[in-house]
Amino acid sequence: EVQLVESGGGLVQPGRSLRLSCTSSGFTFGVYAVSWFRQAPGKGLEWIGYIKSKAYGETTEYAASVKGRFTISRDDSEGIAYLQMNSLKIEDTGVYYCSRDVYEYIWGTWGQGTLVTVSS
Amino acid sequence: DIQMTQSPSTLSASVGDRVIITCRASQSLNGWLAWYQQKPGRAPKLLIYKASNLENEVPSRFSGSGSGTEFTLTISSLQSDDFATYYCLQYKSAYTFGQGTKLEIK
Repeated sequence: EVQLVESGGGLVQPGRSLRLSCTSSGFTFGVYAVSWFRQAPGKGLEWIGYIKSKAYGETTEYAASVKGRFTISRDDSEGIAYLQMNSLKIEDTGVYYCSRDVYEYIWGTWGQGTLVTVSS
Repeated sequence: DIQMTQSPSTLSASVGDRVIITCRASQSLNGWLAWYQQKPGRAPKLLIYKASNLENEVPSRFSGSGSGTEFTLTISSLQSDDFATYYCLQYKSAYTFGQGTKLEIK
């Protein structure tokens, strides 16, 4: 079964850092791009950024709201993608999802999400 | 940046109804638009991609249409499992979601 599982969420103070993991199973992780999304409590979905596969240079792209603070990376040998979040703000609170593309950069397989709460 | 305007924000309907949700983009998308369904506490589910292509295993009562800047998601005959929130997503330039449409039972 194709599966993605996010982990690493929790309560963190403003200004601190947190790293989320997206662990894959059931498919060849290295050939797919991975994207991260988030959803603030009771709000809509927001795209954070993505990382292409090694075949495409592991190129990354980010939303303006997180550029310079968040970094996406991947370890294909472990089948894991990471979201490193620095200088966290209260407005970064939400459920964070990772997703794999099913067609070129169309996100069709999603994890169940992990909750990040930024609060003092 | 491309802005997406989705309407209505809330829609009340009954089982068997035909419903239409609309998304308008601030510039032409060349068809690079997808639709997602999200149920409370669950991850989004891809329904439609490239404006009108039905994702595998999605029931045929769902359909997408449109071009340029205006797109629609139609559910031809609502089933009880369809009550959820729906989002459009443009992927012509980065990614931008619409604000969402909550489909409620009348």
